Amino acid sequence: NAGVTQTPKFRILKIGQSMTLQCTQDMNHNYMYWYRQDPGMGLKLIYYSVGAGITDKGEVPNGYNVSRSTTEDFPLRLELAAPSQTSVYFCASTRDATRPQHFGDGTRLSIL
Amino acid sequence: EDQVTQSPEALRLQEGESSSLNCSYTVSGLRGLFWYRQDPGKGPEFLFTLYSAGEEKEKERLKATLTKKESFLHITAPKPEDSATYLCAVQALIYNQGGKLIFGQGTELSVKP
Repeated sequence: NAGVTQTPKFRILKIGQSMTLQCTQDMNHNYMYWYRQDPGMGLKLIYYSVGAGITDKGEVPNGYNVSRSTTEDFPLRLELAAPSQTSVYFCASTRDATRPQHFGDGTRLSIL
Repeated sequence: EDQVTQSPEALRLQEGESSSLNCSYTVSGLRGLFWYRQDPGKGPEFLFTLYSAGEEKEKERLKATLTKKESFLHITAPKPEDSATYLCAVQALIYNQGGKLIFGQGTELSVKP
């Protein structure tokens, strides 16, 4: 049972480059989330989705975009990478809003 | 503003030395409080959900409790394999159809043999 799968695991970008962080889940969960985790800080919500075709902003959405065309996939797009976006990114999913979220193992992104 | 604060930031214990981690929260109506464990290089792993003051849940050497302002994660006779970062998160009841979580900064626990 794969759960939540994130790719790539590591990536180094140059300032101004763009990339897409991939997230897929095989649990048929409606709710999906993107967080970033910086050293000494709690996880901060970037974007979330309550189902295919529906997305909404979290606490720190600036500089990111998302789409949700299928139940399984929830990619996160960085259009113009900035050093402040150096972080570890986690994707999570859950069956409904009151249940625990299941997390992937993260993408470690460095922007130089 | 909804907020979660965990203390201490780091805790070092000897194997068998029991202790507690604290999670203080301010939220506009609590739907649930979640505890997660995070190992280095991994995503958070779910431990417990608590919904109302007075509720307690246990799993092996861990016991989580909840009051109206804080939650404690008690670790009894810890072992080195309990070493990890423990995260607390709250879910507000209102304006939260998306099930959004607010996380504390975590407590890094190290248990030495």
